[in-house]
Amino acid sequence: GAVVSQHPSWVICKSGTSVKIECRSLDFQATTMFWYRQFPKQSLMLMATSNEGSKATYEQGVEKDKFLINHASLTLSTLTVTSAHPEDSSFYICSAREDAQQFFGPGTRLTVL
Amino acid sequence: TQLLEQSPQFLSIQEGENLTVYCNSSSVFSSLQWYRQEPGEGPVLLVTVVTGGEVKKLKRLTFQFGDARKDSSLHITAAQPGDTGLYLCAGDPAMRFGAGTRLTVKP
Repeated sequence: GAVVSQHPSWVICKSGTSVKIECRSLDFQATTMFWYRQFPKQSLMLMATSNEGSKATYEQGVEKDKFLINHASLTLSTLTVTSAHPEDSSFYICSAREDAQQFFGPGTRLTVL
Repeated sequence: TQLLEQSPQFLSIQEGENLTVYCNSSSVFSSLQWYRQEPGEGPVLLVTVVTGGEVKKLKRLTFQFGDARKDSSLHITAAQPGDTGLYLCAGDPAMRFGAGTRLTVKP
C-alpha cells in the first residue's frame, strides 16, 4: 500500500509556543489529506480536511485559527498548533487519500508542558 | 454529519473463539473502510468495501457491507492473541470514525 509519513514522531514543547507537524505522501500524490486527533483510549476525531491549493475545511468545534493547516503541494500538508496549551497534548494523525482508499501516517505525539 | 456507531466497544475473548464487530449508521456511504490500530501507531487499512452486499475475506477476517451501504460487520474466526487491537470503521466521503472496538484475545 501507499506510504504516508509524519514528522516529527513526537514533540515536547512549552505552553504558549507553536508546533508544526508535517504529513507527506511518499509514493503518490494526494489532493486530499485529513488531520485527526486521538486522546488516550479513544477513537480518532476528525479535525479538518485539507485540500491542495485551497482552504481546509474544519470540523465543528475545531478552531481554525488555532490549528492552521496548509496543503501547499500534492505531497505535503502541515498542521500548526499555535499557542499550544497542555490541553492540546494529544496524538495527531494524518491520512492521505489515493483513489478510494485512505492511508495513515504513524502519528505525532504532542506533549505541551 | 455522518455518524458511525460501533459495537461492542470492548471485547475480551479466549484464543480460538469467533467474534463479530458491527459498524452502523443512518447515512449511506459510497465506501466503508476497516482499520486496525496498535497503541502509539497510526491505523492500518484492512479492507475497503464499496458495493452493497459485498463480502470480502482476508484470511480469518470476513467483512460484509450492508445491502443499503449503511452498515458493515467484521467477523474474525478462531481469534488469536495477535488479533488484539483497536478496530475502527470509517465511511467515505467524510472519513469520520466510529468509537472503535477494543479487542483483547487471551492466550
